[in-house]
Amino acid sequence: NAGVTQTPKFRVLKTGQSMTLLCAQDMNHEYMYWYRQDPGMGLRLIHYSVGEGTTAKGEVPDGYNVSRLKKQNFLLGLESAAPSQTSVYFCASRTSRLAEYNEQFFGPGTRLTVL
Amino acid sequence: EDQVTQSPEALRLQEGESSSLNCSYTVSGLRGLFWYRQDPGKGPEFLFTLYSAGEEKEKERLKATLTKKESFLHITAPKPEDSATYLCAVQASKSNYQLIWGAGTKLIIKP
Repeated sequence: NAGVTQTPKFRVLKTGQSMTLLCAQDMNHEYMYWYRQDPGMGLRLIHYSVGEGTTAKGEVPDGYNVSRLKKQNFLLGLESAAPSQTSVYFCASRTSRLAEYNEQFFGPGTRLTVL
Repeated sequence: EDQVTQSPEALRLQEGESSSLNCSYTVSGLRGLFWYRQDPGKGPEFLFTLYSAGEEKEKERLKATLTKKESFLHITAPKPEDSATYLCAVQASKSNYQLIWGAGTKLIIKP
């Protein structure tokens, strides 16, 4: 099993450009999350999804959109990139079943720089 | 407001020198407290979940404990490979889906 994978690993954008980050998981998890991680700050939730076709806003959703057309994929879009969106983006997934640990499984991250 | 604070921000130890990392939290009803390890350039990796005050979990040189206000991650006789950033997160009772994350403690173990 690959677990959670993210594409691309690195990207440099110019202000105003758009892009889509792809997250895929092969664990049949219902819940999926997009976070950003900035120096000195905790992980901040951008958007999340509790199932195919459903999405919800997290703590810092402005400037981002998401889609979950298939259970295994969760896409994060930046319509018009800004330098403030320079960050490392992590995708995570979790089962909805009651489990002993209920942990989130993370992808390797995408490092995005907006010039 | 629900909040998680980790201290210290960074900790440098000699190999074999035991110490503890702190995670203090303010949340309206605790559903669970999570510890993760994050290596440079990688995503966080799950270590422990604690659910109630008095609970303890162990894994190799790590032991996590929980009280009603904070959690400690005790590191006994650490090795250089224990160097990483350790993240703490809590899930509030009112939330089925979201975690509140601390900023992390960067641990450096010198040989």
